Amino acid sequence: AQSVTQLDSHVSVSEGTPVLLRCNYSSSYSPSLFWYVQHPNKGLQLLLKYTSAATLVKGINGFEAEFKKSETSFHLTKPSAHMSDAAEYFCVVSDQAGGYNKLIFGAGTRLAVHP
Amino acid sequence: KAGVTQTPRYLIKTRGQQVTLSCSPISGHRSVSWYQQTPGQGLQFLFEYFSETQRNKGNFPGRFSGRQFSNSRSEMNVSTLELGDSALYLCASSPDGTTNEKLFFGSGTQLSVL
Repeated sequence: AQSVTQLDSHVSVSEGTPVLLRCNYSSSYSPSLFWYVQHPNKGLQLLLKYTSAATLVKGINGFEAEFKKSETSFHLTKPSAHMSDAAEYFCVVSDQAGGYNKLIFGAGTRLAVHP
Repeated sequence: KAGVTQTPRYLIKTRGQQVTLSCSPISGHRSVSWYQQTPGQGLQFLFEYFSETQRNKGNFPGRFSGRQFSNSRSEMNVSTLELGDSALYLCASSPDGTTNEKLFFGSGTQLSVL
């Protein structure tokens, strides 16, 4: 069975400082991993996805994530936080057993950015 | 190109009633998925439709059902509503619904059951 664990439910940073949101995964297959962001009262937006082409994945808005198989991790980082980055972030693994898109979401990490 | 459209945006129902939620996918997308989001359980997969056929189903009771029309629009229905069904219901579309495909989410329908 596949699953993801987001290690922090809340992260608070100051504007201009680095962001690190941590995610560990469990998968019987070579996983497809994603990070999605949800702003208040909005739907989910894809930040980036890993599908085995490259271990360092660059996404939108300056975010990137590194796939580390030895650590079963897929942490999300950004060098410098912006106020507009305040949102909830979800680490997601694609359940490939059925062959079709069925996403398994982590519990989410709420990112607060302070001036 | 218009995004994924979900209607209505908000719904208030009472226990025992039934409700129908609607989702219009992005033009050309044939796969529609539904997810339930609650503070306690997080985001959980309900089901996925492609070409009017349910291909995948999550672990929800039979009170939750859905369908897809020939124009790819989808509806989900919840019968005999319970307080625990209060949630944000999100719809997502993609071209074919294959494993690594990017999903485009709507803004959701917020259902409150009183």
